Amino acid sequence: GAVVSQHPSRVICKSGTSVKIECRSLDFQATTMFWYRQFPKQSLMLMATSNEGSKATYEQGVEKDKFLINHASLTLSTLTVTSAHPEDSSFYICSASRTLAALGDYNEQFFGPGTRLTVL
Amino acid sequence: QKEVEQNSGPLSVPEGAIASLNCTYSDRGSQSFFWYRQYSGKSPELIMSIYSNGDKEDGRFTAQLNKASQYVSLLIRDSQPSDSATYLCAVTRGSQGNLIFGKGTKLSVKP
Repeated sequence: GAVVSQHPSRVICKSGTSVKIECRSLDFQATTMFWYRQFPKQSLMLMATSNEGSKATYEQGVEKDKFLINHASLTLSTLTVTSAHPEDSSFYICSASRTLAALGDYNEQFFGPGTRLTVL
Repeated sequence: QKEVEQNSGPLSVPEGAIASLNCTYSDRGSQSFFWYRQYSGKSPELIMSIYSNGDKEDGRFTAQLNKASQYVSLLIRDSQPSDSATYLCAVTRGSQGNLIFGKGTKLSVKP
């Protein structure tokens, strides 16, 4: 299978602090990694798409200076929530895209277990 | 028109029955189709992917794709209480595009 890990699983922090979340693909090299946010009882919202070695592409309405994404390698992407505020409290989920060589260039996305951020 | 539409449910089926989940999409350029299962408070888990018209079976799960009708479905045979979750339909434009999710269908399997 394709395993994606996230660390930490849960963070509680004070308003104004920065929080770093790591996403790793453990048993495959990810062509692309994605960051999502999900508020309670709502749909997944794509925040940004990142490729190794290049700048992330942010979705409309997502502040790139607040949500810093670094994609250091084909197996690691990090999301830093800078100067977090209570409204940033949410469930942050990363996913990693794996190419299915047997099917040409089709990809499948596998999700990490998520990070629950609570900003006091 | 929403890009990916699903009935929000809840869909309630008795244990052992077949659960049928449906999804329609608006972009005819969509090429990859996925079903994810999401338990409450957890992240989505990929359970089926389908790329060509027809049926694809994996254990108790069968995905059906009809590109002409822009319709994809998921059948769960012999439904179990542990199948109770929200099922997300997702499509990508092209073979490598971002996932476009439906809002999900909540399935409840009653013992």
